[in-house]
Amino acid sequence: GENVEQHPSTLSVQEGDSAVIKCTYSDSASNYFPWYKQELGKRPQLIIDIRSNVGEKKDQRIAVTLNKTAKHFSLHITETQPEDSAVYFCAAKVGYKLSFGAGTTVTVRA
Amino acid sequence: DAGVIQSPRHEVTEMGQEVTLRCKPISGHNSLFWYRQTMMRGLELLIYFNNNVPIDDSGMPEDRFSAKMPNASFSTLKIQPSEPRDSAVYFCASSLLQGNTGELFFGEGSRLTVL
Repeated sequence: GENVEQHPSTLSVQEGDSAVIKCTYSDSASNYFPWYKQELGKRPQLIIDIRSNVGEKKDQRIAVTLNKTAKHFSLHITETQPEDSAVYFCAAKVGYKLSFGAGTTVTVRA
Repeated sequence: DAGVIQSPRHEVTEMGQEVTLRCKPISGHNSLFWYRQTMMRGLELLIYFNNNVPIDDSGMPEDRFSAKMPNASFSTLKIQPSEPRDSAVYFCASSLLQGNTGELFFGEGSRLTVL
């Protein structure tokens, strides 16, 4: 089955700086790559996604990149704010099945 | 739409007791998933229903776990008998799968503690 690895497991950044989270996947049939944000005690919520026929997508301060050849994708958050503090999960989808990375705990220091 | 609704939000029970978790998916969604979240194992897919039919239950840990979806608006996950290692947050999620794409919407989760 699909195996998604995510790094780093924790990330501390100064407010205003950028944060980058990287993921790799194993199954070349994966065709959809969402990113979820989970605040403490809350549900995971989709923040951005990218499909396999697209190399990059941006939404305000958030951007994702996908390198299908290398089987890796990344989340970039610019101008980080305290409300960006949360756990972020990458995921890769094959058919109906969404496999999640282990998560990255992001802390934005004021 | 109110989103995916789960109950109970919190459940504390003793080892050996039966636990039933409930889920109401978003109206119109054709796919329902049960996930379990723990610190050690992250988010694990337990079972997937499509149009109320169980398609993939390979993630169900053992026979103590069972899930049903009697209609398009209701699903249950049952653990009988429960054990301390079942303590986790159980999420129900639904999606409108079209050609294997479709955003996954999670419920608020049911936090289970087995003493």
